[in-house]
Amino acid sequence: QVQLVQSGAEVKTPGSAVKVSCRASGDTFSSYAIIWVRQAPGQGLEWMGGIIPIFGSANYAQQFQGRVSIAADDSTSTVYLEFSTLRFEDTAVYYCARSKLGSGYLDTWGQGTLVAVSS
Amino acid sequence: EIVLTQSPATLSLSPGERATLSCRASESVSSSYIAWYQQKPGQAPRLLIYGASNRATGIPDRFSGSGSGTDFTLTISRVEPEDFAVFYCQYNGRSRTWTFGQGTKVEVK
Repeated sequence: QVQLVQSGAEVKTPGSAVKVSCRASGDTFSSYAIIWVRQAPGQGLEWMGGIIPIFGSANYAQQFQGRVSIAADDSTSTVYLEFSTLRFEDTAVYYCARSKLGSGYLDTWGQGTLVAVSS
Repeated sequence: EIVLTQSPATLSLSPGERATLSCRASESVSSSYIAWYQQKPGQAPRLLIYGASNRATGIPDRFSGSGSGTDFTLTISRVEPEDFAVFYCQYNGRSRTWTFGQGTKVEVK
């Protein structure tokens, strides 16, 4: 059974960048899209962007355009989220999640990665 | 851009009661791309319902989904102690966008 395993918690200073990874364990990314969703403390779920690894094409939510980059490494079944120019309000748990192409739902989620932005 | 509005924000119930959660889309959407998730504190969301009315693998039959067009509903026929959590609806748009409602918290009365 596939699991999405994310990298560990990060503490960053304002203006810096962070790179979070999401590795598929027990399966590959073929026929799936991987998306990133963040959740600020006490808040709801917010879609940031996603990628279809077999095509290598990423798309992003408008509010994150220019600050977020998503890339995939097929050889290690890993997807990366790179988020730059961090602000205090970017403190959140960042989740990756998997969707079978065309299914319309997210069947598997990573455990989440806390990114804390602090001076 | 589709906006999903969930109501109520909080639902206070006793175990054994029926829970009815609403998700309204800002315009008509295909029910094939509506899903519901449950999230407990400190955990990732878990898929409950996909295609508006299909239970995901391992989800008890006390959970059901319905709706079409702009109005969708998640029903828990008899709330069990382990069901208290926050529930989110989600829509996957044509242009590979993903939208979530703001969530409904089901809490112990």
